[in-house]
Amino acid sequence: DAKTTQPTSMDCAEGRAANLPCNHSTISGNEYVYWYRQIHSQGPQYIIHGLKNNETNEMASLIITEDRKSSTLILPHATLRDTAVYYCIVRVDDFGNEKLTFGTGTRLTIIP
Amino acid sequence: NAGVMQNPRHLVRRRGQEARLRCSPMKGHSHVYWYRQLPEEGLKFMVYLQKENIIDESGMPKERFSAEFPKEGPSILRIQQVVRGDSAAYFCASSPPGRRETQYFGPGTRLLVL
Repeated sequence: DAKTTQPTSMDCAEGRAANLPCNHSTISGNEYVYWYRQIHSQGPQYIIHGLKNNETNEMASLIITEDRKSSTLILPHATLRDTAVYYCIVRVDDFGNEKLTFGTGTRLTIIP
Repeated sequence: NAGVMQNPRHLVRRRGQEARLRCSPMKGHSHVYWYRQLPEEGLKFMVYLQKENIIDESGMPKERFSAEFPKEGPSILRIQQVVRGDSAAYFCASSPPGRRETQYFGPGTRLLVL
């Protein structure tokens, strides 16, 4: 699976959009980009995933660059409950390759 | 629809004892994954199971650790002869058949070895 690079930490004001970048310059054509987050002392929570098209759901939007070497997770109106560690994971969606490889992620702090 | 359930939530063991961690996947989910998170570290994959089968155990320590997912009942992660280094949070996740890409995590079991 391709390696990802994320900033160690970020702050965002409550009510503003939080934009979390992820670099995955060695991504291959059949690898998906996944985002999970882990709120303190809880299990990770799936947010969104995509292959090459931008994706949106009730939690967030995922913007993937045309060359697929980077992506941005957007939380449109951040709340204090969005304070968490956010993990960008790249993975081939193939039988026998189901494991998620978590890096160090980005610690996002929402400021009141 | 209840989420992934893990019990116990907290477990204290003395060195040399056995620890049994249980995971009940979401209803209809037939795939179970176990991950371990050591203090101040990221989550590490341990094992992936389907009903009665171990599919990928590449992250399991070679000794003392075992996992099962029987036809009936929860998945069990068993740690024999625990040592202090086994102290960690153990998370279970499940996914439905045909949608393996999304894993739903439980609240975890915090194991403390004294």
